[in-house]
Amino acid sequence: DAMVIQNPRYQVTQFGKPVTLSCSQTLNHNVMYWYQQKSSQAPKLLFHYYDKDFNNEADTPDNFQSRRPNTSFCFLDIRSPGLGDAAMYLCATSRVGERSDTQYFGPGTRLTVL
Amino acid sequence: AQRVTQPEKLLSVFKGAPVELKCNYSYSGSPELFWYVQYSRQRLQLLLRHISRESIKGFTADLNKGETSFHLKKPFAQEEDSAMYYCALLLYSGAGSYQLTFGKGTKLSVIP
Repeated sequence: DAMVIQNPRYQVTQFGKPVTLSCSQTLNHNVMYWYQQKSSQAPKLLFHYYDKDFNNEADTPDNFQSRRPNTSFCFLDIRSPGLGDAAMYLCATSRVGERSDTQYFGPGTRLTVL
Repeated sequence: AQRVTQPEKLLSVFKGAPVELKCNYSYSGSPELFWYVQYSRQRLQLLLRHISRESIKGFTADLNKGETSFHLKKPFAQEEDSAMYYCALLLYSGAGSYQLTFGKGTKLSVIP
């Protein structure tokens, strides 16, 4: 089945140790999103890629970076994780050009920072 | 500023009872609204969108521009409806792509 895959599902890192989360999709969608969801809070958009164009949200910390080497893959890099970065990270995709485009979500990666 | 408000963090109803999950939005333009659902241990997925005017799994939602609301309703709750429900507002974010602003979610618990 075409889908959005996130690896790993659970990631533990140490304070300050760089970590990379990965997302892949078989939907051939142009747009890929990264959301951060902290406990009992709404998913919050960090950034998204429209093809190779990177769009950062104004309040996304510099500590968060992203890479999209090709249509299928997108990575979230956290350069120096702090305790406050512990959260569920959701990847989503959508097809460009349709105003009411559905976003398809991956299962998420739960990040723990020790 | 665009905002989506779901006033209830938790809603418990008995099986067979009507359900209404509230959602209010703040947006100066013409809104496009969605309901997403997340069942236990599953990914977030689209339940319905207002422009489709559809009924999915017995749920409906009507956009009320006067009250800036998009409440989710079902006449008879089922146990399998227990999940986390998020209301979301679609915004144009430039460069041909759109982003979702989510409410904080309401956890629906259907009591057998």
